[in-house]
Amino acid sequence: AQTVTQSQPEMSVQEAETVTLSCTYDTSESNYYLFWYKQPPSRQMILVIRQEAYKQQNATENRFSVNFQKAAKSFSLKISDSQLGDTAMYFCAFLSGYSTLTFGKGTMLLVSP
Amino acid sequence: EAGVVQSPRYKIIEKKQPVAFWCNPISGHNTLYWYRQNLGQGPELLIRYENEEAVDDSQLPKDRFSAERLKGVDSTLKIQPAELGDSAVYLCAISPSGLFNEQFFGPGTRLTVL
Repeated sequence: AQTVTQSQPEMSVQEAETVTLSCTYDTSESNYYLFWYKQPPSRQMILVIRQEAYKQQNATENRFSVNFQKAAKSFSLKISDSQLGDTAMYFCAFLSGYSTLTFGKGTMLLVSP
Repeated sequence: EAGVVQSPRYKIIEKKQPVAFWCNPISGHNTLYWYRQNLGQGPELLIRYENEEAVDDSQLPKDRFSAERLKGVDSTLKIQPAELGDSAVYLCAISPSGLFNEQFFGPGTRLTVL
């Protein structure tokens, strides 16, 4: 079974600064996807970024980028130029083949003015 | 773009009462999921459908929970009778069939059992 660990229950950052959220996972699978989902206070879960395990290049989506270290089983999310609208719970999630998403416990990110 | 409508958004009931949640996918994605999200936790899968067929219900407490997906589109999740520990947010998600596909989530139903 896969496990996903997010060791930071809460993080704070000021507007325009950069913050990194940590995620580690454990699996014996060789091919899988990793995701970061954002869940604002309204609770609609939204996909932020995805990374395929076979791709060495780290994924980027505008201000969001990941640092994927496959050997270390680490998948961190960097948010640059933080905005007030980035305030949300962030979940790291793992997906292999036809199985379902395994989520971490989440990190609450608070962006302050 | 895929979308998911869930109703009701909030529900408060007393323990031992029945409750039902509805999930209405806007687009025609074949795979549908029900998750339960306890406070301060990530979502956990309850059941997964491929069209009308429940292909993974290993985490569904079958003594009190039931689900159906008639015609492979809309779905309902029922709890009877509800217990205090069932208080949570129930999320519905959809995705295209196949490997490694993105899941699109609905806003969820927040259930409070008193």
